[in-house]
Amino acid sequence: AQSVSQHNHHVILSEAASLELGCNYSYGGTVNLFWYVQYPGQHLQLLLKYFSGDPLVKGIKGFEAEFIKSKFSFNLRKPSVQWSDTAEYFCAVNKGAGNMLTFGGGTRLMVKP
Amino acid sequence: DAGVIQSPRHEVTEMGQEVTLRCKPISGHDYLFWYRQTMMRGLELLIYFNNNVPIDDSGMPEDRFSAKMPNASFSTLKIQPSEPRDSAVYFCASSLAGVGNTEAFFGQGTRLTVV
Repeated sequence: AQSVSQHNHHVILSEAASLELGCNYSYGGTVNLFWYVQYPGQHLQLLLKYFSGDPLVKGIKGFEAEFIKSKFSFNLRKPSVQWSDTAEYFCAVNKGAGNMLTFGGGTRLMVKP
Repeated sequence: DAGVIQSPRHEVTEMGQEVTLRCKPISGHDYLFWYRQTMMRGLELLIYFNNNVPIDDSGMPEDRFSAKMPNASFSTLKIQPSEPRDSAVYFCASSLAGVGNTEAFFGQGTRLTVV
């Protein structure tokens, strides 16, 4: 069965620190990859997505993610976090059929001002 | 488009009562998903529809849960009877089929509390 693993459940950073959140998936075929963000009390919003092409994907608010096929990974990065990045981040995988997304367990990020 | 619209935003009900959650997907989207979010289990897919037809309901926890999509612009998720362990945030999402169109758009969610 397809699964998505986010190894960091909680991350606490100070403002201006660099961020990297890990995401690994188990499906071996062609996949579409996503990172969603959920700000406190709000719904999930798309940060970025990878379908094909350049494995380094740039998203909104200065976030980027790199798809490394050999490692089955799609890690999220941001060079300098802000207090407003405090949120929960979800990695998701779609294996290209049926539009069904499988989500990782999420990573709660707290950025201290 | 106003996005995916869910109602109510909050629902508090007593154990044993019937609860109905509603969702209006984005116009033109042909996939609709119901997710449940809890602290313990994270985001779980309950059921999804394609062109109003249920495709995969393997995530529906029990027979107490049922979902319908009578037309392309409306879906319901019903819990009867409700139990305290059903307390969660329920999200509806929709997407448009096609290569490269697998982004799902989420509603604001319904926070359900069963007391």
